[in-house]
Amino acid sequence: AQSVTQLGSHVSVSEGALVLLRCNYSSSVPPYLFWYVQYPNQGLQLLLKYTSAATLVKGINGFEAEFKKSETSFHLTKPSAHMSDAAEYFCAVSPYWYSGGGADGLTFGKGTHLIIQP
Amino acid sequence: EAGVAQSPRYKIIEKRQSVAFWCNPISGHATLYWYQQILGQGPKLLIQFQNNGVVDDSQLPKDRFSAERLKGVDSTLKIQPAKLEDSAVYLCASSTEGAPHNEQFFGPGTRLTVL
Repeated sequence: AQSVTQLGSHVSVSEGALVLLRCNYSSSVPPYLFWYVQYPNQGLQLLLKYTSAATLVKGINGFEAEFKKSETSFHLTKPSAHMSDAAEYFCAVSPYWYSGGGADGLTFGKGTHLIIQP
Repeated sequence: EAGVAQSPRYKIIEKRQSVAFWCNPISGHATLYWYQQILGQGPKLLIQFQNNGVVDDSQLPKDRFSAERLKGVDSTLKIQPAKLEDSAVYLCASSTEGAPHNEQFFGPGTRLTVL
């Protein structure tokens, strides 16, 4: 069984400030981890993914996340927030195994709404 | 490259009525997923198809929900009869194969309101 906990349903930062969105996971098998962004009335877009290679993962739009197994965390950061970053962010987990055609639907957290103050 | 297409974008129905949603995945994508996203929550997987076959439908309320993917391309998700708690956005996603490291591409969703 897998689960994801995102701390903070809303996070507010000033433009130009550091963005930190927290994600902790629980998984009985080694996980794949993802961050998705959702803009209003749109589908989800992949920001970045951890697939057991490098623990520091760089994504699009200047975002990055670090996988910490000892802390079961995968927090998302961006050094300098931009107004266009305002959106809903979802952390998700998928089982590691791949046997071709296996069940690999994502388990999502409840999301964090990022607010950027001018 | 065209993305995942869904229709309709919005649907309002009365409880106990039936409703169907349609999804056209990205060309060549063998795996298709339906997720339910209730307001204020993350998406929840309902069903996963690999080509024509169902890989995982463990979270699909089978007494009222059904889904099919004929010819391994388009898919429809049906609710019959609808309940108030079915009000949600229904997201369709597709990926190139059933590997967890492959990106799932999401459509814009269908927003269902049950009155």
